[in-house]
Amino acid sequence: DADVTQTPRNRITKTGKRIMLECSQTKGHDRMYWYRQDPGLGLRLIYYSFDVKDINKGEISDGYSVSRQAQAKFSLSLESAIPNQTALYFCATAVSGANVLTFGAGSRLTVL
Amino acid sequence: EDKVVQSPLSLVVHEGDTVTLNCSYEVTNFRSLLWYKQEKKAPTFLFMLTSSGIEKKSGRLSSILDKKELFSILNITATQTGDSAIYLCAVEASMVLSGGYNKLIFGAGTRLAVHP
Repeated sequence: DADVTQTPRNRITKTGKRIMLECSQTKGHDRMYWYRQDPGLGLRLIYYSFDVKDINKGEISDGYSVSRQAQAKFSLSLESAIPNQTALYFCATAVSGANVLTFGAGSRLTVL
Repeated sequence: EDKVVQSPLSLVVHEGDTVTLNCSYEVTNFRSLLWYKQEKKAPTFLFMLTSSGIEKKSGRLSSILDKKELFSILNITATQTGDSAIYLCAVEASMVLSGGYNKLIFGAGTRLAVHP
């Protein structure tokens, strides 16, 4: 089993729909992150969490929300999806104080 | 504004060739530079570099950092088809706010295709 598991792996939805991407990890890491990847752009940080009671906005948080349900679970929600949220989304984890990320396999979201 | 620029954006080579991927950066409060390999799944960690001139090596891959000229290179010798991937460079920068978070700035990646 993967250390960082993302579901769904692929999703096609329509504008205005609510979407949740889920991430779970077995690494025991405190820190969890959500990034999006667009062609020609680097990975950009959406939200990050250092523990269950800690949620922080990243550089592109508008239109997104997150929930840290447990140390091992971090979900990303799009309350009302729009086409420019079409992207590849990665969840990542890290040990406190470390900068090396462990990534999930990605969730490809298409908003029509 | 902090930025990380990778070049070339894409590269096609034949098996056995040697390739050099470049990563230049302009980042305030530099802490480290990291390389990842992204195949059709999770990006996987390759190297972390913090000091100039010290080569990190793993098999056919090696990397070095130049903190004076603000760049790093990733070399792959005797390339194989399994080296085909996107190679991501990320620079870690210290941030003053939000307890313990050091910002990671990613480049757009270099897409490497190795043909038989």
